[in-house]
Amino acid sequence: DQQVKQNSPSLSVQEGRISILNCDYTNSMFDYFLWYKKYPAEGPTFLISISSIKDKNEDGRFTVFLNKSAKHLSLHIVPSQPGDSAVYFCAASEGGGGSEKLVFGKGTKLTVNP
Amino acid sequence: EPEVTQTPSHQVTQMGQEVILRCVPISNHLYFYWYRQILGQKVEFLVSFYNNEISEKSEIFDDQFSVERPDGSNFTLKIRSTKLEDSAMYFCASSWRQRNYGYTFGSGTRLTVV
Repeated sequence: DQQVKQNSPSLSVQEGRISILNCDYTNSMFDYFLWYKKYPAEGPTFLISISSIKDKNEDGRFTVFLNKSAKHLSLHIVPSQPGDSAVYFCAASEGGGGSEKLVFGKGTKLTVNP
Repeated sequence: EPEVTQTPSHQVTQMGQEVILRCVPISNHLYFYWYRQILGQKVEFLVSFYNNEISEKSEIFDDQFSVERPDGSNFTLKIRSTKLEDSAMYFCASSWRQRNYGYTFGSGTRLTVV
């Protein structure tokens, strides 16, 4: 059951450059999407979210883009900093259908090199 | 910043034994969740809890699992008869309103069943 897919297990970028993390989904009932960041030995930390009625949401250095027709979302981090090095999880929900659960992707490990 | 606290951080148990994983959600939060992550796999939803009852559960959450909010501060996950495949990181999360999916996760309890 791969309703949410993060096809790149890892990504390495230079400090100051843009990091782009990608996520694809198959369930057309998903109407809310989130990105979480996770450091080792910690729980996931909420980063940014987007509703399906929008195609972009921005919060400081983080921007999430949603392309519903392609069932694709991406997280842009500009500029990338070494402290951004973590595992990033994409997650989705059928909130409109009354579901409470989040469906997660497998994660992408981002390394930002100084 | 308010935190979700989970204890213990690591628990080792014999197969067939009962375990109770404990969580203290953020004090004004009303919605509570358990997720788990088997090593190398996705974070998976187990159960959501609101108003002293289960609001949603996954297929993983079978009769061996139960949740309880025994007092005003704790939220527990009990596994009655642990199996080897229950070995995973278990994350508790809480949220102050329904479908505010930026919920706060705890640091997790690593359960090892031997």
